[in-house]
Amino acid sequence: EAGVAQSPRYKIIEKRQSVAFWCNPISGHATLYWYQQILGQGPKLLIQFQNNGVVDDSQLPKDRFSAERLKGVDSTLKIQPAKLEDSAVYLCASSPLGGLAGSTFGEQFFGPGTRLTVL
Amino acid sequence: AQKVTQAQTEISVVEKEDVTLDCVYETRDTTYYLFWYKQPPSGELVFLIRRNSFDEQNEISGRYSWNFQKSTSSFNFTITASQVVDSAVYFCALKTSYDKVIFGPGTSLSVIP
Repeated sequence: EAGVAQSPRYKIIEKRQSVAFWCNPISGHATLYWYQQILGQGPKLLIQFQNNGVVDDSQLPKDRFSAERLKGVDSTLKIQPAKLEDSAVYLCASSPLGGLAGSTFGEQFFGPGTRLTVL
Repeated sequence: AQKVTQAQTEISVVEKEDVTLDCVYETRDTTYYLFWYKQPPSGELVFLIRRNSFDEQNEISGRYSWNFQKSTSSFNFTITASQVVDSAVYFCALKTSYDKVIFGPGTSLSVIP
């Protein structure tokens, strides 16, 4: 079974530039997550999709970050314009179960991440 | 509010020693899930275990074991006879029924040959 795919693996940009990351989850997984992991910290959820609908985007800086999941499969995360503090690893994960209240929460399967450096 | 604390930032052990990674969590919910993930130098987070709040049985999987104690809000992880391949950052995480997954800050484990 193929894992979660992400591209690019590395990206270096200057502040105020734009950048986009792509994620292809495991086939059949309904839930997709984007996390931001700053060096030395645990991952922080940015946005969670259930199929192509947003379940949680409470920690997404919506003035500069956007994400979409067209057709409920792959997803893109965009930053426009980037700031120095956006330097981090952006992790995509997928899960076969939604983790909604009252349901069994399945483990998340993570991709290799995209390391973003903003200069 | 939910919170996960991993007080040990870095641990170094010599190969074949046992090591315990501590995790303390905070939540007011009675239904929740706890997780451990491993992040090797390659960067990809690997799921190790999930426990729900109603199952306090300890679990053993090979050299790994987990001790869940609701009375102290702890979910500790022990590696027996550590190996160099165990070197990684380990994250404890918490999810309640109505909230997102919260990861702890991680514990970096170095196993020295």
